[in-house]
Amino acid sequence: EVQLLESGGGLVQPGGSLRLSCAASGFIFSNYAMSWVRQAPGKGLEWVSAISGSGDAAYYADSVKGRFTISRDNSKNRLYLQVNTLRAEDTAIYYCAKKLGTVRSAYDYWGQGNLVTVSS
Amino acid sequence: DIQMTQSPSSLSASVGDRVTITCRASQGISNYLAWFQQKPGKAPKSLIYAASRLQSGVPSKFSGSGSGRDFTLTISSLQPEDFATYYCQQYNSYPLTFGGGTKVEIK
Repeated sequence: EVQLLESGGGLVQPGGSLRLSCAASGFIFSNYAMSWVRQAPGKGLEWVSAISGSGDAAYYADSVKGRFTISRDNSKNRLYLQVNTLRAEDTAIYYCAKKLGTVRSAYDYWGQGNLVTVSS
Repeated sequence: DIQMTQSPSSLSASVGDRVTITCRASQGISNYLAWFQQKPGKAPKSLIYAASRLQSGVPSKFSGSGSGRDFTLTISSLQPEDFATYYCQQYNSYPLTFGGGTKVEIK
């Protein structure tokens, strides 16, 4: 059974940093691209970032480019999102999502989400 | 960036109704279109990919169609568990983009 479990969120001040983590199980992690998607309170879904199965290709939304870094540790079956220089508008539930295959495939599984609140 | 426009933004329907949601891309995306269902307080659930292919375990009352710029999601007979918000997403090119969502409510 595929499971994706996010952690690392919480309350952080504007300008602060966090590292979000997604623990994956139930599939061969290195074979699949992964992604982060967020949802601000009461709003729709926003794609944030994606990474290839090997980790050698990464993509970012313009709204987070230069502030967020996606990475993965295939030996630990973990996906990460380093979020720096946080702004109030980054407040959202952050979901990790598994792709069906490459970075150019659709999502099949989603984690339960992890709330990041940026506030002083 | 490719813009995804969903319509309607909300609809009211009765149990047993056939419901259709549309999604239009600002440029052609072939069949690189997915649909998701999200219930309040829950993570999204993947329903359809490649415009018309059902994800594993998704009931056949859900169907998708379209190619190029125009796509539809149809629920053949609405059941109480189907009341939710539905999103389309293009994955033809980065940045990936979602539609604004369609909230399906009980009439």
